[in-house]
Amino acid sequence: DQQVKQNSPSLSVQEGRISILNCDYTNSMFDYFLWYKKYPAEGPTFLISISSIKDKNEDGRFTVFLNKSAKHLSLHIVPSQPGDSAVYFCAALNTGNQFYFGTGTSLTVIP
Amino acid sequence: ETGVTQSPTHLIKTRGQQVTLRCSSQSGHNTVSWYQQALGQGPQFIFQYYREEENGRGNFPPRFSGLQFPNYSSELNVNALELDDSALYLCASSLVDSTDTQYFGPGTRLTVL
Repeated sequence: DQQVKQNSPSLSVQEGRISILNCDYTNSMFDYFLWYKKYPAEGPTFLISISSIKDKNEDGRFTVFLNKSAKHLSLHIVPSQPGDSAVYFCAALNTGNQFYFGTGTSLTVIP
Repeated sequence: ETGVTQSPTHLIKTRGQQVTLRCSSQSGHNTVSWYQQALGQGPQFIFQYYREEENGRGNFPPRFSGLQFPNYSSELNVNALELDDSALYLCASSLVDSTDTQYFGPGTRLTVL
């Protein structure tokens, strides 16, 4: 049972434009959400996170939005750069410190 | 400060065999988690170890077992390998009170024939 879902397997965006990656979850007990970025042959690296008590967290070009009522979060990257091309995973953390990952979205930023 | 390392990088086994994968945690980290990432899927939580004890387990059968050593390095053992065990196995280290910040290794690619 996939508790965290990323319904877009891939996304292509022009350099300089905004990239929006979406993630939905089913378990209302999740209280912390994270985005990871993964390059080929490397493990995922932490990008940005948000607590369930917030609806927005910003870090430079990266902003994560959380809509608890819709059980939806999104990652905005603006402006997008070619180096942002990677697979992005969203993850949710429950109170037992167990992570649940989505299936990933492959982002390609076109120069 | 060294990062998380895993060995071997790639491994090929046959069905029914046993395999041991190894992970060295990032310096200072006392918690290690193991994940299985099948092709086209996100990482699935297998289990977590803290102070050499299992500290949480995902929906994996008992033939998946682990060890954590006093130096916080870790092993993942899988017995009676099945074809569906073919995947990338990732370990991640963290501090027990900061498990929201995990550092992943590059993974071990296991192929079961």
